Amino acid sequence: DTEVTQTPKHLVMGMTNKKSLKCEQHMGHRAMYWYKQKAKKPPELMFVYSYEKLSINESVPSRFSPECPNSSLLNLHLHALQPEDSALYLCASSQGILAGVTDTQYFGPGTRLTVL
Amino acid sequence: QKEVEQDPGPLSVPEGAIVSLNCTYSNSAFQYFMWYRQYSRKGPELLMYTYSSGNKEDGRFTAQVDKSSKYISLFIRDSQPSDSATYLCAMRRGAQKLVFGQGTRLTINP
Repeated sequence: DTEVTQTPKHLVMGMTNKKSLKCEQHMGHRAMYWYKQKAKKPPELMFVYSYEKLSINESVPSRFSPECPNSSLLNLHLHALQPEDSALYLCASSQGILAGVTDTQYFGPGTRLTVL
Repeated sequence: QKEVEQDPGPLSVPEGAIVSLNCTYSNSAFQYFMWYRQYSRKGPELLMYTYSSGNKEDGRFTAQVDKSSKYISLFIRDSQPSDSATYLCAMRRGAQKLVFGQGTRLTINP
């Protein structure tokens, strides 16, 4: 089973709202990722958690706040977003750095976010 | 120059044709190569991954890597309308980062 689940599938929020995106995997993976994808563009890395610790932040604005409560869960807290933040937000997971160069990322279906 | 170049297409072929999708890269440090398929408004689905130069086959799909030319390909045989999607090549840079191509939009016409 290589399934990564994400909720909600769709989210519409105003610029003053606070919302959260959730991601879950039960593959025993120890690395989890958040990506942002705009239409007709490849995914852009936002954050990486390795063994529940934030290891990479790709200079993402503070209005995006990631959280990794345990090895199976990953959240992305959203606050005071802008309309240009509307995109498909993808979660991915992989075995982690111990898998070495062949570490492979598996993606969830994404949350389509619209900011009004 | 982008690290990974991929023709965005769109590419349209008749059902049953052999499809060739390609990426070139400039960083010789890339060692691990993946192809993802992404249907409209869905997440990328891992199709194939390969570590070494040469060919790797899985059903109707063949992934080919030529490290000397810094060139990778994905071949789809007996293409089906259900293969219509965007195909993304991806390569490992560093411990946890992937570098993606722009994606090629493919349409298989019945």
